[in-house]
Amino acid sequence: KQEVTQIPAALSVPEGENLVLNCSFTDSAIYNLQWFRQDPGKGLTSLLLIQSSQREQTSGRLNASLDKSSGRSTLYIAASQPGDSATYLCAVYRGTSYGKLTFGQGTILTVHP
Amino acid sequence: KAGVTQTPRYLIKTRGQQVTLSCSPISGHRSVSWYQQTPGQGLQFLFEYFSETQRNKGNFPGRFSGRQFSNSRSEMNVSTLELGDSALYLCASSRGTDNEQFFGPGTRLTVL
Repeated sequence: KQEVTQIPAALSVPEGENLVLNCSFTDSAIYNLQWFRQDPGKGLTSLLLIQSSQREQTSGRLNASLDKSSGRSTLYIAASQPGDSATYLCAVYRGTSYGKLTFGQGTILTVHP
Repeated sequence: KAGVTQTPRYLIKTRGQQVTLSCSPISGHRSVSWYQQTPGQGLQFLFEYFSETQRNKGNFPGRFSGRQFSNSRSEMNVSTLELGDSALYLCASSRGTDNEQFFGPGTRLTVL
């Protein structure tokens, strides 16, 4: 059974800091991994999708890496801003389990001015 | 391009009632997945539909059911509501190939 763990559970940083969020998964037989952000009471916004054959993906100030063999992914946020405050979730997809994403519990990020 | 839409956004029901939630996927997306989000259990997969067929189902009781129409819109139904069914219900759509999922804003269900 796939289990996804995110560390830390919560993070509070001053504006401008570079930060790293971690995600680990127990079953390395994944098809892809997706990072999301969720604002309180809202739906999920897709940030980055990394295919199992890829090592990293970048979008603006965000960079996500994937090491499938060790079961780890990291999300790097450069020059953090108060608007980055949200819960960040990683989710893995096993290609044989149609439509099913397995989520971690998330990292609650607070960026204070 | 319009995103995933869900209706209604908020719903209050009492125990024993039933409820139907609706999801309209992004145009051209044929796969719709449903999730339940609660503070204690996080995000849990309910089921997935593709071309009107349920291809996958999570570990939820039979009170939770769904369907998909020919235009890819999907509904989920919960019968005989229990207090523990109070949650944010999210649907997501994808093209069905690489499974990159895009989520709607959710329906907040409160069971009294």
